[in-house]
Amino acid sequence: DGGITQSPKYLFRKEGQNVTLSCEQNLNHDAMYWYRQDPGQGLRLIYYSQIVNDFQKGDIAEGYSVSREKKESFPLTVTSAQKNPTAFYLCASSIAQGANGNQPQHFGDGTRLSIL
Amino acid sequence: AQSVSQHNHHVILSEAASLELGCNYSYGGTVNLFWYVQYPGQHLQLLLKYFSGDPLVKGIKGFEAEFIKSKFSFNLRKPSVQWSDTAEYFCAVNFYYGQNFVFGPGTRLSVLP
Repeated sequence: DGGITQSPKYLFRKEGQNVTLSCEQNLNHDAMYWYRQDPGQGLRLIYYSQIVNDFQKGDIAEGYSVSREKKESFPLTVTSAQKNPTAFYLCASSIAQGANGNQPQHFGDGTRLSIL
Repeated sequence: AQSVSQHNHHVILSEAASLELGCNYSYGGTVNLFWYVQYPGQHLQLLLKYFSGDPLVKGIKGFEAEFIKSKFSFNLRKPSVQWSDTAEYFCAVNFYYGQNFVFGPGTRLSVLP
């Protein structure tokens, strides 16, 4: 079955460490996204990529970095500069949005990151 | 900046009650509108979407939503909820020529058996 795989499901980090969250999709989607979900705040966009080797900052990119070397992969690194990294992280993908912006997103199961 | 608001943080209903969840957005241009649902322990799933045409759209599991352009609203409705509808519901807007989505804060629905 096609879908989005995020790993690991739970991740613990010591303060001062960088950590990388994995996101892989086999839907042949061009666009991929990373969101952070906090209670009462919904989903906030961290980074997105519409095509391989290109990505754009979202609303809360500070303290995060991404790469898009392959179409199917969009890893997110939470750096030590992120002051409040404890959250639920969701990866999504979609067909390229084009000019209309009407392509729905497909979501992974998420990774819950906690600081020890 | 564009924003999306959802009227209720937490809604509690009994089975068979009718449901309406509010969603408003702040943007005067053309928009694409979505409702997603997140069941406990599961990933977000698309309930329904509106791009153009009939402003009343029907989605999965008996849900429907009405786009009222003059009110910048896209409210979600279901005539009779079931215990299995217990979930968190997110309204999302992608603005025409936009490359990404803006999500509302979510509404948690609890349906009592």
